[in-house]
Amino acid sequence: AQSVTQPDIHITVSEGASLELRCNYSYGATPYLFWYVQSPGQGLQLLLKYFSGDTLVQGIKGFEAEFKRSQSSFNLRKPSVHWSDAAEYFCAGGYQKVTFGTGTKLQVIP
Amino acid sequence: DAGVTQSPTHLIKTRGQQVTLRCSPKSGHDTVSWYQQALGQGPQFIFQYYEEEERQRGNFPDRFSGHQFPNYSSELNVNALLLGDSALYLCASSLKPDQPQHFGDGTRLSIL
Repeated sequence: AQSVTQPDIHITVSEGASLELRCNYSYGATPYLFWYVQSPGQGLQLLLKYFSGDTLVQGIKGFEAEFKRSQSSFNLRKPSVHWSDAAEYFCAGGYQKVTFGTGTKLQVIP
Repeated sequence: DAGVTQSPTHLIKTRGQQVTLRCSPKSGHDTVSWYQQALGQGPQFIFQYYEEEERQRGNFPDRFSGHQFPNYSSELNVNALLLGDSALYLCASSLKPDQPQHFGDGTRLSIL
């Protein structure tokens, strides 16, 4: 069955520190992969997407993600976190029927 | 350029009632998908509409039904509401069925 796993439920980082959020997928073939961000009480905003080609994908707000087929991973990274990045982050995969992970809640401390 | 708009933003119903949620897609998009997001969970795919037909469906009972209109807007209907239907219902639109989805802010449905 198709699935997306986010192993970290909650992550705390200091402002200015680097960030990596983990995502693993299980699909028969390489799916479309996405990262979304959700602020409290809001919908989801698309940060970046991977369809094919260059495995390092640049997104909005300074985020990037790297697709690694050998590890079935699509981890999200940011070199320097800002307090406004505190939110919940969802990894997702699929074509028409998109499957979401359970999310990672990011806390940023001063 | 308006994004995906959903109405109402909040709704309170009682068990056994029926509810209709509405969604207008982003300008230029012709595909609408609906998701249910329970508290503390990721969104779960309900179904997708394209060309006024249901094209894909997730693991939801027949109490969940939908419709897409010629102007691409969509409705989600839920019959015989259960307490477990309390959730944030998200609508997403895309240029085509397999293109990235853009989400609205959702309708928060509470069942008493």
